[in-house]
Amino acid sequence: GEDVEQSLFLSVREGDSSVINCTYTDSSSTYLYWYKQEPGAGLQLLTYIFSNMDMKQDQRLTVLLNKKDKHLSLRIADTQTGDSAIYFCAETGGYQKVTFGTGTKLQVIP
Amino acid sequence: KAGVTQTPRYLIKTRGQQVTLSCSPISGHRSVSWYQQTPGQGLQFLFEYFSETQRNKGNFPGRFSGRQFSNSRSEMNVSTLELGDSALYLCASSLAAANEQFFGPGTRLTVL
Repeated sequence: GEDVEQSLFLSVREGDSSVINCTYTDSSSTYLYWYKQEPGAGLQLLTYIFSNMDMKQDQRLTVLLNKKDKHLSLRIADTQTGDSAIYFCAETGGYQKVTFGTGTKLQVIP
Repeated sequence: KAGVTQTPRYLIKTRGQQVTLSCSPISGHRSVSWYQQTPGQGLQFLFEYFSETQRNKGNFPGRFSGRQFSNSRSEMNVSTLELGDSALYLCASSLAAANEQFFGPGTRLTVL
């Protein structure tokens, strides 16, 4: 079945860039997503990328997709304390069955 | 536009009972998906409904069921609750295709 892997934890200093990585196994993935979850809250969609793209930029967020290696990354520029949260990578091949990674907890040190 | 709403937000039940959770999607969204989130298993897909039809189902036992009404509101039912069913249950809605899913705040279910 589909599998999505992420590292569990990342710590960065405020103002630095954060890079969160993700690998997936499903070669038929159509959409790949990044979600943010703050304590006690649901998931917030940050951005998504189609599988036929290799990069997408949205303000401080940059998503890079290496389809050959099935590797997705999220770069957050000028990381702020408000960016502290758990970040989930997810993929789907269709019909809303979305497979999520384990989540990466981002800690921003002031 | 109002976001996805889930009721109740918190629920405490005992083993053997059943529970029904409700989700109201964003107005105009016809697809509703349900997920279970636990510390051990992470986020797992339960099922997805579109226009009152279940289109996809995850690997959960038959105790977990759902339905969708003509106004796109959805309910999820868990019968014969077990301790391991304690989790955050998240609902997400989208227009139709598998692009942007918007999540509700979740229902925190505790089974004692």
